[in-house]
This record gives sequence, C-alpha cells and structure tokens, in this order.
Amino acid sequence: QSVLTQPPSASGAPGQRVTISCSGGSSNIGSNTVNWYQQLPGTAPKLLIYHNNQRPSGVPDRFSGSKSGTSASLAITGLQSEDEADYYCAAWDDSLNVLFGGGTKLTVL
Amino acid sequence: QVQLQESGPGLVKPSDTLSLTCAVSGYSTSSTNWWGWIRRPPGKGLEWIGYIHYSGNIYRNPSLKSRVTMSVDTSKNQFSLKLSSVTAVDTAVYYCVRTGDGGSNFDHWGQGTLVTVSS
Repeated sequence: QSVLTQPPSASGAPGQRVTISCSGGSSNIGSNTVNWYQQLPGTAPKLLIYHNNQRPSGVPDRFSGSKSGTSASLAITGLQSEDEADYYCAAWDDSLNVLFGGGTKLTVL
Repeated sequence: QVQLQESGPGLVKPSDTLSLTCAVSGYSTSSTNWWGWIRRPPGKGLEWIGYIHYSGNIYRNPSLKSRVTMSVDTSKNQFSLKLSSVTAVDTAVYYCVRTGDGGSNFDHWGQGTLVTVSS
C-alpha cells in the first residue's frame, strides 16, 4: 500500500479537463516538492512536472501541477487521446525514502 | 543527449542475486547527479530501490536496504545494482534513472529491463 494516495482511475472526454490528486503527509508532500510522471503503455515513465509546478522542456502547457499542504494535483486540459497513460506522483520522505503514489490510470473516452 | 541503457540477465533463480548494469552516454557519472534504480512489478506501481552518488554516498529504500548493493564505475561511465536473496516478488521491470537534483526528481530513464525470478 502506497503512502502517497492517488485515485486508481480517472477519465474524461477529448477536450475536457481532468485532475488527478495525490495525498500524503507532513514528512513527504508537506515538506518536500512533488514530481509527476507519465507512463505511456509499453514505455518508460517520463518526468511530466517537477518541483510541484514546473514543466520540463517539451511538455505541453496543457499539463500543470499544484501543491497545497500535504496534497498535490495534476491537471490536464484539452484532453487528447495520446494522454491515455498511467500517472504517478512522487515525493521525498524525511525518513530517507522516495515515495510513489499507487498510480492513476487515465482513460480518454 | 543523456541516454541510459540497462543490461543483465532476464531470468534469475530464487535465492540468487539479481545483477544489473546501467550504461550512461552523453553525460558523466562523476557529475553532481545521483544515479538510481526504480522497478515496476507486473500489475503494480513504481517502487524506488535507491540511488548512489559517484562519491559513494547511497540512499536505499528502507524495505530493501538489507538486500541492495549499488556501485558506480566512473571509468566505464556506468553504475550497477545487486539485489540479493530474490524471490518471485522481485519480478519486475527494472529502470535505471538519473536524478535532476536529488529527491524524487528523476529526469532521465532507461528503457527498462524485465527480470523474472523463477526456477
């Protein structure tokens, strides 16, 4: 069982906005930055959002991240079929551990 | 650009040691970054195994710590993972990664290699 809690699934129609939540605690999200990863089927994960809300070069601005207290969120606007993937949040924990969320499978209807 | 490539046996017997190497190109392993391993068991999510700095400093997942050994060979520009006393639950796709600035920021990933633990 992951210490960072994500919904197992999310869905939306093309063009819609979808948000994925990530809930943690004071020793991880509450005191460290959150990163988000996208894993397309059959490929390695890719860094999508770092330092809570920063996009690496090449990531469309349809993807955005936010953090408040011990929770974080990933928002995807203008949903596209190629966004169908597994999404993971991650954070350093003060117990000297890296925690991942359990992952959210996004389906584009 | 930075590229990482895992190599190692795809099949390991129970109780044996899993050994993987990650060759790095386009970047030096003797940089300020940390080099690590993450795995994804079939049907499950990602699990951090640990990472190492070329200076020899290491952070490991507490749940795996006693079985994990990591090393860096800067002369070959590669780093390695050894996981001892494996069982079926260690079956997973193993990814080697680079951290951008430590923590949970993994900015480059290898393609992954499937390791199956079975007799």
